[in-house]
Amino acid sequence: DGGITQSPKYLFRKEGQNVTLSCEQNLNHDAMYWYRQDPGQGLRLIYYSQIVNDFQKGDIAEGYSVSREKKESFPLTVTSAQKNPTAFYLCASSAGQGSNQPQHFGDGTRLSIL
Amino acid sequence: AQSVTQPDIHITVSEGASLELRCNYSYGATPYLFWYVQSPGQGLQLLLKYFSGDTLVQGIKGFEAEFKRSQSSFNLRKPSVHWSDAAEYFCAMESHMLTFGGGTRLMVKP
Repeated sequence: DGGITQSPKYLFRKEGQNVTLSCEQNLNHDAMYWYRQDPGQGLRLIYYSQIVNDFQKGDIAEGYSVSREKKESFPLTVTSAQKNPTAFYLCASSAGQGSNQPQHFGDGTRLSIL
Repeated sequence: AQSVTQPDIHITVSEGASLELRCNYSYGATPYLFWYVQSPGQGLQLLLKYFSGDTLVQGIKGFEAEFKRSQSSFNLRKPSVHWSDAAEYFCAMESHMLTFGGGTRLMVKP
């Protein structure tokens, strides 16, 4: 079955440490996205990528970095510069940004600080 | 600026009762509109979408939504709620990017 796989499901980070969240899709989608979700809040866009080797900042990119070396992969690194990283992180993909194709979501990674 | 508002943070209904979740958007033209559902600790699942045409759209799990241009609304409805419908529901709008409302948490009483 086609879908989006996020790993790990739970991740713990020590102070001052960078961590990388994995997102893989086999839907052959061009566009991929990373969102952050905090308790009781909607989703906020961190980064997005419309095509391989290209990505753009979203609303809350500070303290995060991404890469898009392959169409199916869009890893997110939470750097030590992100002062409040504890949240639920969701990856999504779509056939194209701004198209009439909806975004499909992974099951998320919950990041906590030790 | 474009935005999506879900006025109800929490809603509790009895099992078997009807449900309506409100969603209002702010945008200069007709956007693409979506409803997603999220179970605890899970990702978002698409319930239904509106792009154009018939303003009443049918989705999965017995949900439907009606687009009302005059009210800038896209309310989600279900005639009879099941206990398994308890979850958080997000309305979203896509113009240039996908903008989410803050979500409505639905609780179902037995």
